[in-house]
Amino acid sequence: GAGVSQSPRYKVAKRGQDVALRCDPISGHVSLFWYQQALGQGPEFLTYFQNEAQLDKSGLPSDRFFAERPEGSVSTLKIQRTQQEDSAVYLCASSLIGTGDAETQYFGPGTRLLVL
Amino acid sequence: DQQVKQNSPSLSVQEGRISILNCDYTNSMFDYFLWYKKYPAEGPTFLISISSIKDKNEDGRFTVFLNKSAKHLSLHIVPSQPGDSAVYFCAVAMYSGGGADGLTFGKGTHLIIQP
Repeated sequence: GAGVSQSPRYKVAKRGQDVALRCDPISGHVSLFWYQQALGQGPEFLTYFQNEAQLDKSGLPSDRFFAERPEGSVSTLKIQRTQQEDSAVYLCASSLIGTGDAETQYFGPGTRLLVL
Repeated sequence: DQQVKQNSPSLSVQEGRISILNCDYTNSMFDYFLWYKKYPAEGPTFLISISSIKDKNEDGRFTVFLNKSAKHLSLHIVPSQPGDSAVYFCAVAMYSGGGADGLTFGKGTHLIIQP
């Protein structure tokens, strides 16, 4: 079946520009996660949704970062007034239920953001 | 301070031999452990997982071992194949508090399988 998809795959932005990154989770998956992966590092947790509710946004690095999932399926990560340190790969993952039992998260291919 | 450490940035193994990738974590409250494999320009692909109630989980050529007292996790690949060449990430989560959890990742180990 279809996996997690993300668009665009690559984005170049000028410093100060706003960007929006889209994630389509696996159909029927309740939980959705965003991660940021800097070069040479492992992914770092940004935020988590269960359906449309954003239950954890503790990893968002600043108030320039905003995520939403209004209908409980597609999610958008928005970065306002981008800075060079925002350059990274942004990964989206989804999991089936999110009831508190341990579950596997399935990742999309990521969006590579370069801020000039 | 890193909660998950993969101390070998790279590892080179001959085809057909065993590859052993290691991971250490600091918080004994972590109770779910996963290994992901990543090719360039792709997202991480789930390989295998283990919960804290077990000390071993096997899936084909892949076996994960968990030593809770040492807070140590390892992935064994036997026999190693050229397609196994990739970056391997160890990830941990804490589910005891209820609700889904963001994963905490190590920095990865680049495994190179030599023919």
